[in-house]
Amino acid sequence: AQSVAQPEDQVNVAEGNPLTVKCTYSVSGNPYLFWYVQYPNRGLQFLLKYITGDNLVKGSYGFEAEFNKSQTSFHLKKPSALVSDSALYFCASVGTGGFKTIFGAGTRLFVKA
Amino acid sequence: EAGVVQSPRYKIIEKKQPVAFWCNPISGHNTLYWYLQNLGQGPELLIRYENEEAVDDSQLPKDRFSAERLKGVDSTLKIQPAELGDSAVYLCASSLDGGGNTDTQYFGPGTRLTVL
Repeated sequence: AQSVAQPEDQVNVAEGNPLTVKCTYSVSGNPYLFWYVQYPNRGLQFLLKYITGDNLVKGSYGFEAEFNKSQTSFHLKKPSALVSDSALYFCASVGTGGFKTIFGAGTRLFVKA
Repeated sequence: EAGVVQSPRYKIIEKKQPVAFWCNPISGHNTLYWYLQNLGQGPELLIRYENEEAVDDSQLPKDRFSAERLKGVDSTLKIQPAELGDSAVYLCASSLDGGGNTDTQYFGPGTRLTVL
């Protein structure tokens, strides 16, 4: 069965430090992977996606993610965190042959000034 | 470009009452999704439309939930009767193409339902 795991409920990082939000997936076939961010009282906003090609994907607001097939991971990264990055982050996957998007449970990122 | 519009933003009802949520997707987007998001969890798909056709409603509790997308644009999600466990945020999303796996979904702000 298709699944997405975000092993950390919360990540704390100081402003200016690099951040990583982890995601692992289990899908049949080649995965299509997404990261979304959710700010309070707002819907999810698209950050980036991996479809094929270069394993390092760059997205909005300076975020990037690396697809690692052997580790079935798609961790979200940013070289220098901002306080405004504090939000809820969701990893999602869609397996080939199906159209249903499966979301992880989310990771809350706190960036301290 | 206007985003996905949902109304109402908040709704409080008594259990056993009916409730309806409305969604207007981004203009030109053929695919529309309704998701349920419980507190502390990721969104879970309830139903997906391609134009007027519901192509995936396997997770929709059909005994009390119904949805429609007349004319392939706006959509309404209804619960009748509502139960305490239905308290959650109901998200609508849309995407441009015919439900392709790689489509980016654009989400509305959601409707927060509280059932008392």
